[in-house]
Amino acid sequence: GAVVSQHPSRVICKSGTSVKIECRSLDFQATTMFWYRQFPKQSLMLMATSNEGSKATYEQGVEKDKFLINHASLTLSTLTVTSAHPEDSSFYICSASGEDTQYFGPGTRLTVL
Amino acid sequence: AQSVTQPDIHITVSEGASLELRCNYSYGATPYLFWYVQSPGQGLQLLLKYFSGDTLVQGIKGFEAEFKRSQSSFNLRKPSVHWSDAAEYFCAVIEYNNNDMRFGAGTRLTVKP
Repeated sequence: GAVVSQHPSRVICKSGTSVKIECRSLDFQATTMFWYRQFPKQSLMLMATSNEGSKATYEQGVEKDKFLINHASLTLSTLTVTSAHPEDSSFYICSASGEDTQYFGPGTRLTVL
Repeated sequence: AQSVTQPDIHITVSEGASLELRCNYSYGATPYLFWYVQSPGQGLQLLLKYFSGDTLVQGIKGFEAEFKRSQSSFNLRKPSVHWSDAAEYFCAVIEYNNNDMRFGAGTRLTVKP
């Protein structure tokens, strides 16, 4: 099946710094990628939909200036958490839209100290 | 409002026993339906999906799910649970003509020896 990778898998940073997370579709092209956030013992919440070559569409309540999304190519989308704070600590998962489903990356654990 | 409901937050079964995880949805038209499994700290693995046709869908790892339009349900079943099945299970939907995937709250499965 299709493979989606995320990098890094785990990151720890100081409060106030920015963190970039990459999501790549390794063996297929994805015009649409999605970013989810998952708090401990909770479900995945869609943050934004990323379309190649255009601005991302953010879900209600998600700050677009804080969570910058760039989808510069058909195989790469990036999520940058700007000026991260401890409340941004979470598990971030991306997915790429395939032929008939979404393919999920393994997730990135962000811890902000 | 459109929603995906997993009524059971936590289920415990004995190894070898049968399993049924419930999922209900409320959408105007039949959405595309999915079941995913997530092990701790890991990404999502697709177990099975339903788009149309035969309402009983076979998936990986011995799982199956049955779509019942009259009940707006898509329950996941396995005849005999293995200890390695202990994980979090998510029901998800993609609304027809939409790309967004929405998740239920998840059901945590514990398997007793």
